[in-house]
Formats: sequence, C-alpha cells, structure tokens
Amino acid sequence: DAGVIQSPRHEVTEMGQEVTLRCKPISGHDYLFWYRQTMMRGLELLIYFNNNVPIDDSGMPEDRFSAKMPNASFSTLKIQPSEPRDSAVYFCASSLALAGEMWELFFGEGSRLTVL
Amino acid sequence: AQSVSQHNHHVILSEAASLELGCNYSYGGTVNLFWYVQYPGQHLQLLLKYFSGDPLVKGIKGFEAEFIKSKFSFNLRKPSVQWSDTAEYFCAVNWNTDKLIFGTGTRLQVFP
Repeated sequence: DAGVIQSPRHEVTEMGQEVTLRCKPISGHDYLFWYRQTMMRGLELLIYFNNNVPIDDSGMPEDRFSAKMPNASFSTLKIQPSEPRDSAVYFCASSLALAGEMWELFFGEGSRLTVL
Repeated sequence: AQSVSQHNHHVILSEAASLELGCNYSYGGTVNLFWYVQYPGQHLQLLLKYFSGDPLVKGIKGFEAEFIKSKFSFNLRKPSVQWSDTAEYFCAVNWNTDKLIFGTGTRLQVFP
C-alpha cells in the first residue's frame, strides 16, 4: 500500500504568491483531512471531506484558504495570497470509516511551507 | 468546546527511565482515544488506540495507556524508554463525531 501521498514536500514562496498543496489518500478511504502543524498551535484541523464532500471547514483560517476534492483520489489545499504567518507543515490524512475502526488516521509525510 | 490538553510540553529523560505523558480532554460522553507519535522528520503514526473494553491499552514498542473516565484522562506510559523513543507524542480524542482533535504535543528527548 502506497500510503497517503503529499506534494510538494517542501515549498518556499514569497508573500502574495499562490500556493497549492496536493494529496492522494489511501485507495478506498472515504475520509480525507487537512491539518496544519505549527510550533505555537500544534496540530489544527483545517477541513475534512467525506466521500469527496466537505463536511466541516470551520478550521480554515480565513478566505485565503480553500480546499477541494474533485474525486476520491485527489485533494488540494490552496492559499491565495500567501502570507508569512501561513508558514507551517501541512498534513493530509485519510481514514476508513468502519465500525470500531473509525478515526484511525493515516498521515502523509507533510508539505513544509515557508512564506518569505 | 472540545479540547485536548497535554500539560508536558517537553520531557527529557535518560535511557531506562520510566515515562508518563499526561493527556486530558474537556468533557465526557463516549470518546475514542488515540496516541500518535512523530519521529524526527517523519509523519505521524498511530501508537495505540482505545475504543471500548479494557481501559488499559497496549500499543507498539512497549507503550501502554490507561483510560480513566472519571478523570477524563488517557495517559501514556512506558516503563523503560530508549534513545529511539525520542519523538513528539500527540494525544487525540474523538467524541463520536467526525472530528479528531489533537493535543499540542509533548516533545520527548531521551539521552543515552
């Protein structure tokens, strides 16, 4: 099993530029989560999808952030325009909802974003 | 609001010392509890989980955790740590909803 695949692994960009992070969940998983990890705030849930439909985006910091899941095997997290305070590691995770096995998340290796 | 607290932000131990990391969550009801570990430069991996049954849960690499419902706690323990246990440890809780809420993590450093 390939696991959750994220790209890019590292991104350095300048303030004001658009950033797109990509995620391929584990095949067959029906939940996909985007988390942001910073030293100050730890792991924050940004948004999650069930069967490609966004369920809760209350963790998205502001309108500059958007996420899509056009199909079961692909999701994007976009920041436009980016700001230095968006610098963080962004993790994608997927999960399969089966009774008793819900919410065991499988994480990707993360995308480290640096906004200068 | 639902929240998860890890009071130990940074723990430093020598090899063979015993470990206990605290985790408390905000309120009761039916909960699913997890500990994840993040080794340096790697992604988060599941260490152990509790859904129901025996409140003492055994995980990988000799770790265990005890669910104490009356204290809203799920502390992680290991009787004798190794240098390879150096990592960041995250407690996470799900209140039978779709969300998994993480604590802010505890950084463990083990010195030989």
